[in-house]
Amino acid sequence: QSALTQPASVSGSPGQSITISCTGTSSDVGGYNYVSWYQQHPGKAPKLMIYDVSNRPSGVSNRFSGSKSGNTASLTISGLQAEDEADYYCSSYTSSSTLGFGTGTKVTVL
Amino acid sequence: QVQLQESGPGLVKPSQTLSLTCTVSGGSISSGSYYWSWIRQPAGKGLEWIGRIYTSGSTNYNPSLKSRVTISVDTSKNQFSLKLSSVTAADTAVYYCAREPRLKRAFDYWGQGTLVTVSS
Repeated sequence: QSALTQPASVSGSPGQSITISCTGTSSDVGGYNYVSWYQQHPGKAPKLMIYDVSNRPSGVSNRFSGSKSGNTASLTISGLQAEDEADYYCSSYTSSSTLGFGTGTKVTVL
Repeated sequence: QVQLQESGPGLVKPSQTLSLTCTVSGGSISSGSYYWSWIRQPAGKGLEWIGRIYTSGSTNYNPSLKSRVTISVDTSKNQFSLKLSSVTAADTAVYYCAREPRLKRAFDYWGQGTLVTVSS
């Protein structure tokens, strides 16, 4: 299974909004509302930020939001803060009953 | 609070079998509400899903690793395990175990990760 495609890097200034895309196919992102997003700081385990395309787990800031259109899902971080600087990965359920991750995006706060 | 903890050898020789165990605390692995997964991450690279097991013993594996992977569960010890055979240097990575609620298809709890190096 191929990795979902994400931009290698996205940057923004504090207070700005940024959006990270995650492109798959009709067999994964486009076929199911099972897209999730993870934040990973260096040396740490990933943390679930969004599940089922647009749902936030308890405790996750409402500055994080998710959406999907066709085969592309998106994560938007609004009111960018220094602590948001991290790697972000999308994940999707697939038609083969497996899960796949995106290529990862490094978010830099300028 | 659910916690997951990986354990196993940090060094494995090429062509041998990598074996890791994930111990779950703060909840029963026998709960029918979750899948239990293994995920790995080579240094400086992205996440790769290895496979998962349900408490019934049913499994799903990443097609690229399927021929070498076995995931099993021991409900009496509240543990699940990973075996990866015929390892090479390309299998050197941090290995994570994670919990996936059946109705979410997302990983809500993760272990801290354990580094496994394949080297002679």
